[in-house]
Amino acid sequence: EAGVTQFPSHSVIEKGQTVTLRCDPISGHDNLYWYRRVMGKEIKFLLHFVKESKQDESGMPNNRFLAERTGGTYSTLKVQPAELEDSGVYFCASSQVATVPYEQYFGPGTRLTVT
Amino acid sequence: QKEVEQDPGPLSVPEGAIVSLNCTYSNSAFQYFMWYRQYSRKGPELLMYTYSSGNKEDGRFTAQVDKSSKYISLFIRDSQPSDSATYLCAMSGSGGYQKVTFGTGTKLQVIP
Repeated sequence: EAGVTQFPSHSVIEKGQTVTLRCDPISGHDNLYWYRRVMGKEIKFLLHFVKESKQDESGMPNNRFLAERTGGTYSTLKVQPAELEDSGVYFCASSQVATVPYEQYFGPGTRLTVT
Repeated sequence: QKEVEQDPGPLSVPEGAIVSLNCTYSNSAFQYFMWYRQYSRKGPELLMYTYSSGNKEDGRFTAQVDKSSKYISLFIRDSQPSDSATYLCAMSGSGGYQKVTFGTGTKLQVIP
């Protein structure tokens, strides 16, 4: 069974540009999560989808970030316009059951560098 | 103050040593306690989890939770070079959907 996949693995963009990150969850997983780790800090929750609906987006830093999950399958996270402080590693995770926190499976992450 | 505190290390030990990794937390609502292992350029991978207090053992790994002290530990016995990775503690409440809160991670190097 394929795991959570993320694309691209690394993206380098200039400040002010737009970047779109993609996450493909494990097949059959209704729950999809986005996390972010900035340099030297802990992994932080951004938001949680249940199918195509946003269950919790309390961790989204500001309105430059837009997450979508059309059709309840893959998800995209768009940053527009990107700022220097957006640099970090963006992880996606998926799970079948949202109430069991240890059953989130993580992707390899997308490393975003904003110059 | 962070909800979860974890010494970032790095921690360097000789092969065969016993490794002790620790986290403290401040949120008494946390009920699930997880340990993840993360290799370079990979995503976190669940090692072990504990619900509420107590100990749990899985092979060379033992997880301990002391809720009275708000302190959790992961012990690795007979450490191997393949254990070299970053170890992340993570915690969550129970009842419905709860967010997962991570520590910063401790980088471990096991020297052959």
